[in-house]
Amino acid sequence: KAGVTQTPRYLIKTRGQQVTLSCSPISGHRSVSWYQQTPGQGLQFLFEYFSETQRNKGNFPGRFSGRQFSNSRSEMNVSTLELGDSALYLCASSATEGRTEAFFGQGTRLTVV
Amino acid sequence: GDSVTQMEGPVTLSEEAFLTINCTYTATGYPSLFWYVQYPGEGLQLLLKATKADDKGSNKGFEATYRKETTSFHLEKGSVQVSDSAVYFCALSSGGGADGLTFGKGTHLIIQP
Repeated sequence: KAGVTQTPRYLIKTRGQQVTLSCSPISGHRSVSWYQQTPGQGLQFLFEYFSETQRNKGNFPGRFSGRQFSNSRSEMNVSTLELGDSALYLCASSATEGRTEAFFGQGTRLTVV
Repeated sequence: GDSVTQMEGPVTLSEEAFLTINCTYTATGYPSLFWYVQYPGEGLQLLLKATKADDKGSNKGFEATYRKETTSFHLEKGSVQVSDSAVYFCALSSGGGADGLTFGKGTHLIIQP
């Protein structure tokens, strides 16, 4: 059974640009969550999607957005990139919402210059 | 809101030593508790979980017991190996619309041969 796949693995963008990251969950999983990992702030929850609907959202500005497609694949978008957006972005899939375990992808390393 | 506290380290041990990484939490209701491990350049891997009080999660020689009375979920291993060197994250999920997984800051474990 394939795991969570995130693409691309690495990205370098310039301040002010926008970026789209992709996540394919484990087959059969309907919940996808996104996290930002930085050395200073650690792992922070961005948002969760279930059945194409955003269920929860963390404390991030509106520049961070996402969506989920009917096949459960998800994308997150960051507009007007800032240097502070440089981070490892992790996607996690779960079979259902709620307190079940989440399985993470390898992440996308975004560097903003 | 929910929070997780764990020692950040680095924790340096010799091979075959006994390992304890402390984790305490604050949460509403009865959260599920998890330990994740992150190897360099990788995403997070679920190590073990516990979903109710007094549950013991175990995997690959690691164990942790859900202690509701002390709000703790300490990770233990009887004999560590060099390959256990990684960053370990304690996490909780309250579910019911809460903000995804809440993570501790992570504990960097270094095992010396």
